[in-house]
Parts: sequence; structure tokens; C-alpha cells
Amino acid sequence: DVKVTQSSRYLVKRTGEKVFLECVQDMDHENMFWYRQDPGLGLRLIYFSYDVKMKEKGDIPEGYSVSREKKERFSLILESASTNQTSMYLCASSYSGRGNEQFFGPGTRLTVL
Amino acid sequence: AQKVTQAQTEISVVEKEDVTLDCVYETRDTTYYLFWYKQPPSGELVFLIRRNSFDEQNEISGRYSWNFQKSTSSFNFTITASQVVDSAVYFCALSVSGGYQKVTFGTGTKLQVIP
Repeated sequence: DVKVTQSSRYLVKRTGEKVFLECVQDMDHENMFWYRQDPGLGLRLIYFSYDVKMKEKGDIPEGYSVSREKKERFSLILESASTNQTSMYLCASSYSGRGNEQFFGPGTRLTVL
Repeated sequence: AQKVTQAQTEISVVEKEDVTLDCVYETRDTTYYLFWYKQPPSGELVFLIRRNSFDEQNEISGRYSWNFQKSTSSFNFTITASQVVDSAVYFCALSVSGGYQKVTFGTGTKLQVIP
């Protein structure tokens, strides 16, 4: 079974803090994704990585950065957290190639005070 | 640009009723993939089905069935004899063959099955 794990289920941070969200997958997937999920907006792609050290911006990359130093790990970084980044963050992974389904982690609910 | 519309925000049904979740998509690509995912209260999205644009054959898996119609750009999902465990948010999604593998998700339909 594919397993995607995220470092925290719940996280509370203060405005201005640097926040790291970690995601690890154990199926040797080439692609990894970070989404945020907000009510009424569905899932929006923040960043995507198709290989180690490679990344692509998604629809809403502002205020975020990512790091992929190892194939199994994809980190999302909030350089200076703001209250509008309070959200559910979902990590996903998939094999390369068109049309492959994504496998999701359990999500991290981040609250920025 | 791609777009996925799930017009039903929330649906409530009584257990054992049938329910259909609607999904309408927009794309100019001729090769694309459609997906349905389920997000139970635990939060983790679970893949249910994938369809490519060249395969309009409907599919049935147990109580679940999917109706793909290119003529109306729709990929609807029906649950027969709904159960409480079907309560979840369901997302329809679209991926096109060009560019990197971006998947466009709909805004989701929250299904509540009442015992």
C-alpha cells in the first residue's frame, strides 16, 4: 500500500514564524504535490515537484517555498506565516506519466494566530 | 485553461436512497483524464476511479457507478443504496496530457447519509 505521511495533523503558529511542513512517501513516486484546501475553494495547487531538486509553481505559490532534497521527502515552507495561510495542507504523490492518480496524506491543519 | 464544476455543494439523503453527484468539466485538450476522490471525515483523500478521454464506457464497482459523457462534458458518480459510511466530501478532478501533471479539482460535494 502506498503511504504518504505528513509530520503533523494539527499545528498552531504565530504570525511571522517560519513554518515547515514535511511530507514523506514510501512508494518511490517521482511526483510530489502540495495543496491547500479551503471551504468552497476545493484543492488548490501550491507547488509540484517531478524529481529531486526540481519544482514547479502551482496556482498559488506566493508566500510559500518548497524543498525536495530526497526523492521520498517534499517540504513546504512558509517563510513568514500570516493569518491568511490558516488552512488545511495536503501532500500527495504519484508516479510520473500522464493520468496517474495521486495518493494523499492525512493533511495538516495549520492555524496561524 | 481547465475547469471542473461541482454545482452541488451539499447533499443529504436517507440511508438506502440512491444519489448522483454531478461533475462538469471544461478543457480544450482532446486527451485528458478524469478522476473521482473521496475525502472521509478523517481528511485523507482516497482515489476512487480514473477515466481517460478515449474511454466513454461507463463503469460499475459494487454500489458505485460512473457515467462519462463527452457530449455533455460530464462525469457523474452514482451511489446506489447509500450507507452511512458513504458520508464524505467527494471531489471530481481533471488532468490534461500537456504540460506538467497539474490536476484541477472541483470544489467538492459534501454528502451526508442519514441513518
